Amino acid sequence: KQEVTQIPAALSVPEGENLVLNCSFTDSAIYNLQWFRQDPGKGLTSLLLIQSSQREQTSGRLNASLDKSSGRSTLYIAASQPGDSATYLCAVRRVAGGSEKLVFGKGMKLTVNP
Amino acid sequence: DTGVSQDPRHKITKRGQNVTFRCDPISEHNRLYWYRQTLGQGPEFLTYFQNEAQLEKSRLLSDRFSAERPKGSFSTLEIQRTEQGDSAMYLCAGTSQRSSYNEQFFGPGTRLTVL
Repeated sequence: KQEVTQIPAALSVPEGENLVLNCSFTDSAIYNLQWFRQDPGKGLTSLLLIQSSQREQTSGRLNASLDKSSGRSTLYIAASQPGDSATYLCAVRRVAGGSEKLVFGKGMKLTVNP
Repeated sequence: DTGVSQDPRHKITKRGQNVTFRCDPISEHNRLYWYRQTLGQGPEFLTYFQNEAQLEKSRLLSDRFSAERPKGSFSTLEIQRTEQGDSAMYLCAGTSQRSSYNEQFFGPGTRLTVL
């Protein structure tokens, strides 16, 4: 059974810091991995998707890396801003059984203080 | 804006009542997913449609839950005889048939509170 873990559960930093958010998964047989952002009471916004054959993806100040063999992904946020405050979730889609579902971590709540 | 809409955004009901939620993906989303998210947790998969066919259901989807996608466009999720444990955010997501990456795009969710 695939399990996704995000540690720590919460992080509070001053504005301007470069951040690394961690995600680990137990089954390396994944099809892809997505990073999402969720604002309080809202739905999920897709930030980056990494295919299993890729090692990283970049979008603006965000960079996500994937190490399938070790079961890890990191989301790097450069020059953090108060507007980055949100909960960040990672999710993996398995290859085995052709399941389309995403398996999510519990998320990491980020607070960027001005 | 992902183009995926959900209605209603909030629903308060009494225990034992039936509720129905609706999800409208964009036209190119041939695949549609339902997830449930409780406070402090990540979303959990409920069910998945490809066009009008329901191809996968989670064990979380008890007999009180039913989902449909009759014409392969919008979808409904019905919960019968609601229980307080059903209180959660219900999220819908779509994937385009043109996307080789199967990136899932989520709607704003329906927040259900069962009193």
